[in-house]
Amino acid sequence: DAGVTQSPTHLIKTRGQQVTLRCSPKSGHDTVSWYQQALGQGPQFIFQYYEEEERQRGNFPDRFSGHQFPNYSSELNVNALLLGDSALYLCASSLAYRLSDRSGNTIYFGEGSWLTVV
Amino acid sequence: QKEVEQNSGPLSVPEGAIASLNCTYSDRGSQSFFWYRQYSGKSPELIMSIYSNGDKEDGRFTAQLNKASQYVSLLIRDSQPSDSATYLCAGGLYNFNKFYFGSGTKLNVKP
Repeated sequence: DAGVTQSPTHLIKTRGQQVTLRCSPKSGHDTVSWYQQALGQGPQFIFQYYEEEERQRGNFPDRFSGHQFPNYSSELNVNALLLGDSALYLCASSLAYRLSDRSGNTIYFGEGSWLTVV
Repeated sequence: QKEVEQNSGPLSVPEGAIASLNCTYSDRGSQSFFWYRQYSGKSPELIMSIYSNGDKEDGRFTAQLNKASQYVSLLIRDSQPSDSATYLCAGGLYNFNKFYFGSGTKLNVKP
């Protein structure tokens, strides 16, 4: 049973550039959430996708955008990179949004993508 | 006020002792709560989930939830050096579209 997979694992970008991070959810999951974790901090919620739509968004600027594909995989795009965008970007998957109003739903994280902006 | 708050630590305990980690949350609508362990340079790894008031035990780990006090805790019995990590508390709705993490408590277990 494949867990949550992310790519790339590490990347270095220059200020002002754009980056795309990719995620495939755990088998059986169709909801994907993205988190940013700066050094020494807990993960911060960026947004969540279900049925190819953004369902909820955290306090992140429009430079952060995403997409979900029919196979439930997802991309996170960040434009006009700033030094402060350097962080670990985590993808998490969970059960179908419409079935998730119940206890027992669990969220699983991928290994993350380390982004360094120089 | 942060949605989920934890003492950053470090919390130091001797090997074999009980480690007690605590967390408070501000959103009374939160339904599900999780403890994650994160080793340096790695992604968070799920340890426990808890949804109802009371205690939930899994091996050496016990999670406790008190919704009236908006308080969640994790007890680690017979602590081992391999338990040394940052422990993240998280809580939110069942569908995770509002799901918040604390900043983590660093645990050091001394041999």
